[in-house]
Amino acid sequence: AQSVSQHNHHVILSEAASLELGCNYSYGGTVNLFWYVQYPGQHLQLLLKYFSGDPLVKGIKGFEAEFIKSKFSFNLRKPSVQWSDTAEYFCAVNAEGGGADGLTFGKGTHLIIQP
Amino acid sequence: GAGVSQSPSNKVTEKGKDVELRCDPISGHTALYWYRQSLGQGLEFLIYFQGNSAPDKSGLPSDRFSAERTGGSVSTLTIQRTQQEDSAVYLCASSPRQGGFLYNEQFFGPGTRLTVL
Repeated sequence: AQSVSQHNHHVILSEAASLELGCNYSYGGTVNLFWYVQYPGQHLQLLLKYFSGDPLVKGIKGFEAEFIKSKFSFNLRKPSVQWSDTAEYFCAVNAEGGGADGLTFGKGTHLIIQP
Repeated sequence: GAGVSQSPSNKVTEKGKDVELRCDPISGHTALYWYRQSLGQGLEFLIYFQGNSAPDKSGLPSDRFSAERTGGSVSTLTIQRTQQEDSAVYLCASSPRQGGFLYNEQFFGPGTRLTVL
């Protein structure tokens, strides 16, 4: 079965700082990759997704992620964060032939942006 | 359009009681998923329905957990003889599941917060 690792559990940044959140997965086959965000008191929302094609994907609110197949990574980036980006971020994967069709999530990264 | 809806939003129950949680997927979505979000375990996949096929129950933590999906739409997750470790937020998601495995984007509901006393 596949697994997902998010290396940073808590990240604190100042506004305008650059952000990179790490995500690695373990599965050798074809995968769909996602980043979801959960703002305080709100439900999970899709930030961006990778299915196939260009490994650099752009999502909402200025976020982007790069799929590096050789490193089994899908890191999330934003060049300049805002206070409103304070939230929990989850990396997720589902794998073709990996068994269940459900998503496997990382443990999440709690991001706090200080004004 | 309307998103995934879940009810109730909060449920408090006593240990040993049965509970039912409801999910209304986005209209037209053929795939429906249940997940559990807890502090200790993070987000865990529970069960998956695709159309009228038999559900994939591989993520259910015990035989106290069951789910059904009536008419290919609304789903109910039932937990029998609840235990304190069942306390969590139960999330439902749906997907149009077009194109098979690829392009399988899931849309999440707001969840039901279950507290077992």
